[in-house]
Amino acid sequence: AQSVSQHNHHVILSEAASLELGCNYSYGGTVNLFWYVQYPGQHLQLLLKYFSGDPLVKGIKGFEAEFIKSKFSFNLRKPSVQWSDTAEYFCAARTGAGSYQLTFGKGTKLSVIP
Amino acid sequence: DGGITQSPKYLFRKEGQNVTLSCEQNLNHDAMYWYRQDPGQGLRLIYYSQIVNDFQKGDIAEGYSVSREKKESFPLTVTSAQKNPTAFYLCASGGQVSRETQYFGPGTRLLVL
Repeated sequence: AQSVSQHNHHVILSEAASLELGCNYSYGGTVNLFWYVQYPGQHLQLLLKYFSGDPLVKGIKGFEAEFIKSKFSFNLRKPSVQWSDTAEYFCAARTGAGSYQLTFGKGTKLSVIP
Repeated sequence: DGGITQSPKYLFRKEGQNVTLSCEQNLNHDAMYWYRQDPGQGLRLIYYSQIVNDFQKGDIAEGYSVSREKKESFPLTVTSAQKNPTAFYLCASGGQVSRETQYFGPGTRLLVL
């Protein structure tokens, strides 16, 4: 069965620090990849997604992610975090062969200290 | 995500009671999903439906039931067979095309009295 691993449970950063959250998936075939964010008290929102093409994907609020097929990874990055980025971040994967199911990682909680 | 509503926001269940969580969408999406979110566990798929009158079990369907009588609605019933129902329940919808993104509702928090 497909699985998604997020290596960091809780990350604490100071404002202006750079962010990289790790995500690895286990499926060997075509895969669609997503990063979602859940701000405190808010809906789960889509940050960015990768289906095909340029492996460097840009999303909202200055986030980007790089798909590295050889490493089965889809890490999320932001060069300079703000206090408002405090949230929980979820990586998700869907196999590309007509599947509807998303498999989520366990999430990474990001706390940004002003 | 603004097109998906879930009610109630909080729900309390007594022992042995079935409760139903509502999910409605006005995004004209064919597919709808129910997830359960527990702290440190991420989201786990309970049931999903690709079209009206059809649904499939997800990874943790035991103790839950669903129906899909209308395209807009996908209610989830937490039955008394679900021994650990306390969780945050999220409903999502998306199109049938494989490239469609899933959009999430605000969630319902279920607590056991």
